[in-house]
Formats: sequence, C-alpha cells, structure tokens
Amino acid sequence: AQSVTQLGSHVSVSEGALVLLRCNYSSSVPPYLFWYVQYPNQGLQLLLKYTTGATLVKGINGFEAEFKKSETSFHLTKPSAHMSDAAEYFCAVREGQAGTALIFGKGTTLSVSS
Amino acid sequence: GAVVSQHPSWVICKSGTSVKIECRSLDFQATTMFWYRQFPKQSLMLMATSNEGSKATYEQGVEKDKFLINHASLTLSTLTVTSAHPEDSSFYICSARDLGGGKQYFGPGTRLTVT
Repeated sequence: AQSVTQLGSHVSVSEGALVLLRCNYSSSVPPYLFWYVQYPNQGLQLLLKYTTGATLVKGINGFEAEFKKSETSFHLTKPSAHMSDAAEYFCAVREGQAGTALIFGKGTTLSVSS
Repeated sequence: GAVVSQHPSWVICKSGTSVKIECRSLDFQATTMFWYRQFPKQSLMLMATSNEGSKATYEQGVEKDKFLINHASLTLSTLTVTSAHPEDSSFYICSARDLGGGKQYFGPGTRLTVT
C-alpha cells in the first residue's frame, strides 16, 4: 500500500531564507508524486508533480522538488521564502494509474516571518 | 486550465438534516471523481471513488448509507450527507479526473458546519 510521510508538521523560516519541506513515500510501483498548497479556507493548488523523466521538477512560485528513488523522497524547496508562501503544504502519491486516488501526507504548515 | 466547481462553498445545517454537495467539472468530462474529507488542521482523507453510471467505491470506515454519492453524468457528482451530526462538520473536497488526459483537478471545497 502506498503512503506518504511529511516530516515536521510545522516549519518556520525567515523571509528570504531557504524553504525545505520534507516528504517520504512508500509505494510498491513507480509512483507519481505531487505537492499541493492550501491557503486558509481554500481548496488545493497544484505546485508541481513528478511522473516520469527528469527527477528535478520545477513548479509554480519558485518551488522545486527532486525525486530520489534511493531515498524514497520528494522534498520541496524554494531558495528564498516570501511572506506569501505561508500556507499548508501537502505531499501526495499515486501509484501510477491515472484512475486511482491521491494519498496525502498529513501536511506541513509553513510560517514565514519578516 | 480545467476547472472543478463545488456548490455550495459553505453550508450550515441543523443536526438530523441532510445536505447535498455538488461537484462539477466545468470544461471537461470526468468518468471518475473522488471525494475527500478534511478535518481542521488535518490532511485530506479519501472517502470514496465515484464512477459515472455505477456505484461508488467507499474507503474502509466510511458509511455508504450516510454519505450517498451519485455520479449521474460525466460532469456532475453529488455527495449527500444524510442525518448530519456535529461530528460530520468538515471540509469536503472533490477531485475530478479528466477523461481525455487522465489528469486530476481539485474543487475549491465545501465547508459543512452541523449545529
């Protein structure tokens, strides 16, 4: 069975600092991996996804993530945090087939201080 | 890009009543829609998978008689919370899978408060 573990329920950074949100997955087949962002009382917005091919994936708002099969990880990074990045971030996995549902991690709250 | 809408966005109902939430794919056809529930400060939990023209598949622990799902067309799925109780208060989010490309798109969510 597939699962997702997000290390750290809450991450705090200063504006301009590096953002690193950790995600490890478990999957019996090559996974499709996703990062979503959720602002208060809003739905999910897709930041980026990995399906096949290049393991370094660039997304919106300056975020990127690297798929490391040997480490079963898909950590999300951003070189310089902005106040507007403060939100809830979810890592999700899907076992390949497009018809199956996404399984989400518990989420990481990112706080950005000035 | 593809858009999924949910209606209503916010609903308050009294305990014991039923509430229907609609999920629509606005510019694509979706044979499969997924319903998630998100409690405050928690992750999204898959409730059920809805396939057009057939019965929904419910995840373990989700009462199918309480959470009625109907997927009558390629653009509409509905979730009805029957005999709602305060513990059903949650954020309900649907996701629709594009028939053409296979991508999944999320709706904006519906916040249900049962008093």
